[in-house]
Amino acid sequence: SAVISQKPSRDICQRGTSLTIQCQVDSQVTMMFWYRQQPGQSLTLIATANQGSEATYESGFVIDKFPISRPNLTFSTLTVSNMSPEDSSIYLCSVPAPGGSGANVLTFGAGSRLTVL
Amino acid sequence: GENVEQHPSTLSVQEGDSAVIKCTYSDSASNYFPWYKQELGKRPQLIIDIRSNVGEKKDQRIAVTLNKTAKHFSLHITETQPEDSAVYFCAATFNNNNDMRFGAGTRLTVKP
Repeated sequence: SAVISQKPSRDICQRGTSLTIQCQVDSQVTMMFWYRQQPGQSLTLIATANQGSEATYESGFVIDKFPISRPNLTFSTLTVSNMSPEDSSIYLCSVPAPGGSGANVLTFGAGSRLTVL
Repeated sequence: GENVEQHPSTLSVQEGDSAVIKCTYSDSASNYFPWYKQELGKRPQLIIDIRSNVGEKKDQRIAVTLNKTAKHFSLHITETQPEDSAVYFCAATFNNNNDMRFGAGTRLTVKP
């Protein structure tokens, strides 16, 4: 499976500021996914980051709040903009297994735990 | 919309007993169903998965069954051990397998 490096691993942020999370993969992948995991909750898909096109956002998530970049096939960023305490969460990037029959298998980064004061 | 429902939300068993977690999904076109284990403070890790062309898959102490007609699938853990204690998430793919949606999770506690 792919090796994913995600940073920062954690941060404490002030209300109203923005933070960018980076996700680096050791292999080229067509799609990268960004999930949010609120405390004690499940994983919710925020958006799919596609190389060479705009990210596709899920219902309830908008580009102005969670802008995403995907400059190449191994890297993506997620920005959490104008943060409020409700944005305190773990944000995880994930990628599908490289090619073949395992294409749906997702590997997750270690996550970025954000606390907004 | 597409969703995955998971039960129970918490499960406590005695070491050595079996544990069963059940999930249902809404999209009859879904064809991939993974199970993830998440230990406290760690990332979710795939433990087993099943595709729609089979009804059951087993890997040592864990097994998954799938009933496509009823749109439900289950995780079975036998001979549970304390290290099996974690949160388990089921998931299903939607939108031509481009999206994966997760169940709410089951917190399994195995008491020694």
